[in-house]
Amino acid sequence: DAGVTQSPTHLIKTRGQQVTLRCSPKSGHDTVSWYQQALGQGPQFIFQYYEEEERQRGNFPDRFSGHQYPNYSSELNVNALLLGDSALYLCASRPHRQNLAKNIQYFGAGTRLSVL
Amino acid sequence: GQNIDQPTEMTATEGAIVQINCTYQTSGFNGLFWYQQHAGEAPTFLSYNVLDGLEEKGRFSSFLSRSKGYSYLLLKELQMKDSASYLCAVFMDSNYQLIWGAGTKLIIKP
Repeated sequence: DAGVTQSPTHLIKTRGQQVTLRCSPKSGHDTVSWYQQALGQGPQFIFQYYEEEERQRGNFPDRFSGHQYPNYSSELNVNALLLGDSALYLCASRPHRQNLAKNIQYFGAGTRLSVL
Repeated sequence: GQNIDQPTEMTATEGAIVQINCTYQTSGFNGLFWYQQHAGEAPTFLSYNVLDGLEEKGRFSSFLSRSKGYSYLLLKELQMKDSASYLCAVFMDSNYQLIWGAGTKLIIKP
């Protein structure tokens, strides 16, 4: 049973460019969340997708957008990249109907984005 | 605002016991998670506390006091592989999302 998979593992971009990161959730999971983790910091919530719609959003500008496909996979798009967007981007999945007392999210290994 | 505090770094000896503290001040609360993250890897779930008290799971235990806004993760019989960052996260009942601390880097010495 494959866990959460993300691609690519590493990416180097320059300021002003656009990037797309991809995530396949764990089998049986239909809810995907994206996080940004700067070096030495905890993850910061970007947004969550369920039923192909953005359900919750953190304090990130509109440059950050996403998409979820019918097979539950998801993409994170970042436009007009800034140096400060350099971080580890994590995808996490869980079953939507999971008991809140067991709201355990499963994380992918992340995509390391470097903006030069 | 939301605030979660953890020590930045701790050092312990192989075979010993270490306690990692986490204090939180959040506008909502529906449980507290501890995750382990090895360098360059995904965070992995360790424990979840929603009621006051101690939850024990093998070498790892987690404690919660909601009235004090305080939790700790206790690691016993430390092994070199326990060297990692330990992240405390509060599950918010307002939007069902996790608010994360910055993590505690634990260094295990022989």
